[in-house]
Amino acid sequence: NAGVMQNPRHLVRRRGQEARLRCSPMKGHSHVYWYRQLPEEGLKFMVYLQKENIIDESGMPKERFSAEFPKEGPSILRIQQVVRGDSAAYFCASSPLNRVNTEAFFGQGTRLTVV
Amino acid sequence: KNEVEQSPQNLTAQEGEFITINCSYSVGISALHWLQQHPGGGIVSLFMLSSGKKKHGRLIATINIQEKHSSLHITASHPRDSAVYICAVEGSGGGADGLTFGKGTHLIIQP
Repeated sequence: NAGVMQNPRHLVRRRGQEARLRCSPMKGHSHVYWYRQLPEEGLKFMVYLQKENIIDESGMPKERFSAEFPKEGPSILRIQQVVRGDSAAYFCASSPLNRVNTEAFFGQGTRLTVV
Repeated sequence: KNEVEQSPQNLTAQEGEFITINCSYSVGISALHWLQQHPGGGIVSLFMLSSGKKKHGRLIATINIQEKHSSLHITASHPRDSAVYICAVEGSGGGADGLTFGKGTHLIIQP
């Protein structure tokens, strides 16, 4: 049973390009969370998705950021027109349907560098 | 909104020492997580607690719900324990929001 898989592990983009970060949850998990870890700061919640639904996107910047979790395939976090301040580690976590009081399962993260 | 505070922010100790990392939060929770992150690495779950105490190898985690406080202890510390230890809490409403994190404790164990 593979864990939470994120790819790519490292991503370099020039300012103005688009970044696409992918997250495949653990088998049997239908909930995905995205978190961002800025340099020298703690992790911050971005968005919570179930299959084909965004449940809570209160932590997402209002512009340039979007997320989806289609019926088939991984969850995608998309950042359009990246700027240097988007450089961070982006972590995905997944949980099963009954998510209350379950262990947290995280991916290895995608480290985005904007040059 | 829950505020999660960890102390100390940085800790350097000698191999073999007993380590304690503290976490306090401001609002009632349903669960508290202790996580470990190595430099440039992923995040690994160490414990999930809703009450009492848990032990895994040399690691012990305790939580006092009334005091809104948790501690992570490492006995017989080893250089491989060097990492960032993160406390995270889960809201009591069982709502849609994710975890709220402390800023982490940077632990260095010197041989």
